[in-house]
Amino acid sequence: AQTVTQSQPEMSVQEAETVTLSCTYDTSESDYYLFWYKQPPSRQMILVIRQEAYKQQNATENRFSVNFQKAAKSFSLKISDSQLGDAAMYFCAYRSMNTGANSKLTFGKGITLSVRP
Amino acid sequence: DAMVIQNPRYQVTQFGKPVTLSCSQTLNHNVMYWYQQKSSQAPKLLFHYYDKDFNNEADTPDNFQSRRPNTSFCFLDIRSPGLGDAAMYLCATSRRKETQYFGPGTRLLVL
Repeated sequence: AQTVTQSQPEMSVQEAETVTLSCTYDTSESDYYLFWYKQPPSRQMILVIRQEAYKQQNATENRFSVNFQKAAKSFSLKISDSQLGDAAMYFCAYRSMNTGANSKLTFGKGITLSVRP
Repeated sequence: DAMVIQNPRYQVTQFGKPVTLSCSQTLNHNVMYWYQQKSSQAPKLLFHYYDKDFNNEADTPDNFQSRRPNTSFCFLDIRSPGLGDAAMYLCATSRRKETQYFGPGTRLLVL
């Protein structure tokens, strides 16, 4: 079974600074997706970024980028130029790409990010 | 805009009184999911539908049921809510094996 670990329960960043959120995972599969979801205090879960395991290039979405290290099973999220609206709980999630597997997401426990003005 | 809609956003029920939560989507996705999320925890998958095929998680209590009358709608029925069922209930949709998109959630309070 796959597991996702987010070992830091909380982090804080100064507005306009850069912060990196860590995530590691364990799997015996070679094909999978990794995701970062953001859940602001209003509680709607929003997709931040997605990475396909077969792609060597790290995904980027505006101020958000990932450092995907497949051999190390590490998937960290970097937020550049942090904004007050980035304050939220961030979940790292894994999903198998194997044929026959359902679309179940395996979530980490999440990390609460606060942004200091 | 295409979206996932959940009604109501807040639901108060009494201990043991059946309650139904609703989810609808305009994304035309064939997979719909129900998650339970307790405070400061990760969402926990209860079950999902792939088209009309129902897939229950092994540890989902029998107290939780679901119906999907058509592609657009999915319901979560809690037959006899207990105090421990107070939580946020999230609906999500996806195409098979694609990214899941979440609704805003329904916060359930059990008195």
